[in-house]
Amino acid sequence: QSALTQPASVSGSPGQSITISCTGTSSDVGGYNYVSWYQQHPGKAPKLMIYDVSNRPSGVSNRFSGSKSGNTASLTISGLQAEDEADYYCSSYTSSSSWVFGGGTKLTVL
Amino acid sequence: EVQLVESGGGLVQPGGSLRLSCSASGFTFSSYAMHWVRQAPGKGLEYVSAISSNGGSTYYADSVKGRFTISRDNSKNTLYLQMSSLRAEDTAVYYCVRENSGSYYFDYWGQGTLVTVSS
Repeated sequence: QSALTQPASVSGSPGQSITISCTGTSSDVGGYNYVSWYQQHPGKAPKLMIYDVSNRPSGVSNRFSGSKSGNTASLTISGLQAEDEADYYCSSYTSSSSWVFGGGTKLTVL
Repeated sequence: EVQLVESGGGLVQPGGSLRLSCSASGFTFSSYAMHWVRQAPGKGLEYVSAISSNGGSTYYADSVKGRFTISRDNSKNTLYLQMSSLRAEDTAVYYCVRENSGSYYFDYWGQGTLVTVSS
């Protein structure tokens, strides 16, 4: 199972919005509404931010939103804050009854 | 509060073996599928292995198939990963992860345990 494709890095200024893409295939992202997103700060475990494409777990800011079109899912963070600076990973359930992750995107808040 | 605490990591020589454990608390362990996800130093997340709630079904990534064995003891609320024939490329932080019971995502992660394969 090949990794999902994410941009290596994105950046934005405080208050701005950014979008991170996650491209897969019809066997994963395009085939299921089971895309999730995880935030990881340095030295910490990943934290669930979005599940089932666009749902936010309790406690996650509504500045985080998710969407999907075809084989590409997206994570949008609005009103960027310094604390949002982290690595972000997408993940999808696959037709092999397993999961696949994206390569990760480093978000820099300028 | 859900807690997942990994242990068993350390330095091992190439070709050696190691068993990781993950002690779970704060939820009904026997009701959840569990997974191992790893992260090599400075790299991204890699899905490694899964086991169903009753242990009857398992999955392995091709990179570890035939070398790693996932298991669980629901009476001890503990998940295991037996790793053998270890290679340098298995060096990583290994995370114990809980799969949400209602859908296909990972809702809780442990803090991870570092496995270093080196001579």
